[in-house]
Amino acid sequence: QVQLQESGPGLVKPAETLSLTCTVSGGSVRSGDYDWTWIRQSPGKGLEWIGNIYYSGGTKYNPSLRSRVTISVDTSKNQFSLTLRSVIAADTAVYFCARGVAGLFEALDIWGQGTMVTVSS
Amino acid sequence: DIQMTQSPSSLSASEGDRVTITCRASQSISTYLSWYQQKPGKPPKLLIYAASSLHTGVPSRFSGQTSGTDFTLTISNLQPEDFATYFCQQTYGDPPYTFGQGTKLEMK
Repeated sequence: QVQLQESGPGLVKPAETLSLTCTVSGGSVRSGDYDWTWIRQSPGKGLEWIGNIYYSGGTKYNPSLRSRVTISVDTSKNQFSLTLRSVIAADTAVYFCARGVAGLFEALDIWGQGTMVTVSS
Repeated sequence: DIQMTQSPSSLSASEGDRVTITCRASQSISTYLSWYQQKPGKPPKLLIYAASSLHTGVPSRFSGQTSGTDFTLTISNLQPEDFATYFCQQTYGDPPYTFGQGTKLEMK
């Protein structure tokens, strides 16, 4: 079955760039039936939708993060990635990647286990 | 942004009880509403999509209903594995696709 796994550094310094990758196994990022999404969860802000990307490369971002976020897809590696620039302490959170399904009204049917990222000097 | 107001924030119940959790959208979202269950240290798990459609493999004791901009998740005959935190999410129109603040369902 399809599985997602996040990877990346667990500690990022303030003002630097957070980079995470989500590896998709058991399925392909090339399917037009899905979008590939990043969400984060922190005690202070609950679950926050960051953005998503489609196989075509089209993206949607949370307006509150748009100026700092880029989501990209690498079909050769079956991965998609999150870049968050100029991080601050409030970006400390567990980051999840997930698969959105157009046929399920964009519900997120498969999630990675999540990776904790701490922003601290 | 569309705001999702979820209530209650916490709930105590016993095995076998029937409980209801509500999410109210700040504007019309049609039926672009999903419900998730999350246990500590785990990612959320999809329960219901399109407001009332049960996701594959989810027990039939979970159900969803809608009335205008109010959405409810009902769990009938609570089982021990149902004690968890529940979230709603709207995915209507333009982003951001916001989540409710969550309801923690605890054993009485």
